[in-house]
Amino acid sequence: GAVVSQHPSWVICKSGTSVKIECRSLDFQATTMFWYRQFPKQSLMLMATSNEGSKATYEQGVEKDKFLINHASLTLSTLTVTSAHPEDSSFYICSASGGLDYNEQFFGPGTRLTVL
Amino acid sequence: GQNIDQPTEMTATEGAIVQINCTYQTSGFNGLFWYQQHAGEAPTFLSYNVLDGLEEKGRFSSFLSRSKGYSYLLLKELQMKDSASYLCAIMDSNYQLIWGAGTKLIIKP
Repeated sequence: GAVVSQHPSWVICKSGTSVKIECRSLDFQATTMFWYRQFPKQSLMLMATSNEGSKATYEQGVEKDKFLINHASLTLSTLTVTSAHPEDSSFYICSASGGLDYNEQFFGPGTRLTVL
Repeated sequence: GQNIDQPTEMTATEGAIVQINCTYQTSGFNGLFWYQQHAGEAPTFLSYNVLDGLEEKGRFSSFLSRSKGYSYLLLKELQMKDSASYLCAIMDSNYQLIWGAGTKLIIKP
């Protein structure tokens, strides 16, 4: 089956620093990658959608200058949380889709970010 | 507007059967997904329905009625490891997933 990896799986950083999270599709080419954020006991919230080689489409209320997304290749997308603050602490999950009949999204294992 | 409703929490007994309902109103419909999510982990795919009817996959079955905007996930022969949140998601006309809040299923011995 399609496998998506995420790195790191967890990170703790100081307020004001930047954190980069990588999302890779290991055995398929992901034409589209999605970045989600999930707070405790809440559902997934889509942050942005990115297509390889083009700018990401951000959901309403998500600051594009704070959450930088780069989808440089068909197997790699990165999310950089710039100048992180404690309220950015959350579970960040990426998913990837590519070429399947019903556009199934395959999820990475998630990255737990804690900002002190 | 877009709306997906599912119960917040359900409790069932090991070995029993449980049905988790999902009703929806979305702009466009390209299929309904059910995902399982254990605490602290990412969702894992369970099922996909785009046509009316029942899809069976082992102990799990998923049903869809597009005219009623309704789906259910049926779990049989419940095991303790089935304790998790179950997320209903609709793929809209832009092929984006709209997520329900999830149903936390608690399995008791």
